[in-house]
Amino acid sequence: AQKITQTQPGMFVQEKEAVTLDCTYDTSDQSYGLFWYKQPSSGEMIFLIYQGSYDEQNATEGRYSLNFQKARKSANLVISASQLGDSAMYFCAMRVWDSNYQLIWGAGTKLIIKP
Amino acid sequence: EAGVTQFPSHSVIEKGQTVTLRCDPISGHDNLYWYRRVMGKEIKFLLHFVKESKQDESGMPNNRFLAERTGGTYSTLKVQPAELEDSGVYFCASSQDHGSGSSRGDTQYFGPGTRLTVL
Repeated sequence: AQKITQTQPGMFVQEKEAVTLDCTYDTSDQSYGLFWYKQPSSGEMIFLIYQGSYDEQNATEGRYSLNFQKARKSANLVISASQLGDSAMYFCAMRVWDSNYQLIWGAGTKLIIKP
Repeated sequence: EAGVTQFPSHSVIEKGQTVTLRCDPISGHDNLYWYRRVMGKEIKFLLHFVKESKQDESGMPNNRFLAERTGGTYSTLKVQPAELEDSGVYFCASSQDHGSGSSRGDTQYFGPGTRLTVL
């Protein structure tokens, strides 16, 4: 069965520190993609970063990077130099390419940045 | 470029009533998706349109839910009659279709959601 696990329900991090949000996934398929989304208190779901299963390098988008460890089936999100505006819910999601288009979601991690 | 929009942002209705949610995807996106997050649960897929056709409706919970996308533009999701367990946030997303080789992976862009409360 395809599944996403986010083991950290909540995290407090001091402003300007780096933070790692954990995500592990389970699929028997070889071709898949992993996504991270941010949901601030305003409610919208904002796409942050994508990693394909065949991508050899870890994805980066500004202060966001994805620590992709295929053998361990983990796709952790790293936020460098955290800012107060990073406080939000963060969701990890997966899509299997040979399957349908739906995203499989983790439960999310609530990140709070302390000033 | 305008993002995905959803209307209304909030809806409070009584059990047994009907509610219709609307989603306007990003212009040019053929793929449109509906997801739902019930309180305390994970986000779940409901269905997927390609243009006006339902590609996958495996996530629709029951026949009280009806989704349409006439003309392949905006989509509506109607709940009739609404039950208490239908309360939650309903998200709409849209994507282009670059195929499985795309480095962006057919990223789905989401709207702000509609928070539905059934009393």
